[in-house]
Amino acid sequence: AQSVTQLGSHVSVSEGALVLLRCNYSSSVPPYLFWYVQYPNQGLQLLLKYTSAATLVKGINGFEAEFKKSETSFHLTKPSAHMSDAAEYFCAVTRNAGGTSYGKLTFGQGTILTVHP
Amino acid sequence: DAEITQSPRHKITETGRQVTLACHQTWNHNNMFWYRQDLGHGLRLIHYSYGVQDTNKGEVSDGYSVSRSNTEDLPLTLESAASSQTSVYFCASSGQGTGELFFGEGSRLTVL
Repeated sequence: AQSVTQLGSHVSVSEGALVLLRCNYSSSVPPYLFWYVQYPNQGLQLLLKYTSAATLVKGINGFEAEFKKSETSFHLTKPSAHMSDAAEYFCAVTRNAGGTSYGKLTFGQGTILTVHP
Repeated sequence: DAEITQSPRHKITETGRQVTLACHQTWNHNNMFWYRQDLGHGLRLIHYSYGVQDTNKGEVSDGYSVSRSNTEDLPLTLESAASSQTSVYFCASSGQGTGELFFGEGSRLTVL
């Protein structure tokens, strides 16, 4: 079984400040890991994904995440927050079945990011 | 461009009624999924399909059913709607590979 825990349901930062959203996972097999973003009244959009290649993954809009197996973590960061980053962010995990996956993702509870001017 | 569309986007119904939410994708993906999103719970998997005539239960499947008669469509049916099924429902699809999901815009269902 797999699970994801996102630490902090709400995170608030000032514009220009570092963004850090925390995600810890549990998986008995090598995982694929994802971060998705959801803007109000919209579907989820992929930010970035870890698929067992580089442990530091760069995504869209200046976000990146680092896979740390020893800590079972996949935290999302952005050096400088922008007002347009305000949204809800979801971490998700699925199993790496011999280099492929079937898309059955398990999601965390989500973190709402607020950016203050 | 390929896309995944859901309909209706908003629906209000009464307890006990049957409701069907449509999902249509033009990605030609074999894998399709239905999730519900509720505050504090993130997204929870309802049902999924890995191809035509294949359907599987997710973690919150009670009261829901799906059928897959072609590659493009996976309709979600609530046989007898309950107030606990008030939620936002998302359909998603993926191809083979890394499992990245492509999401629809969601269907907001209110059961009175």
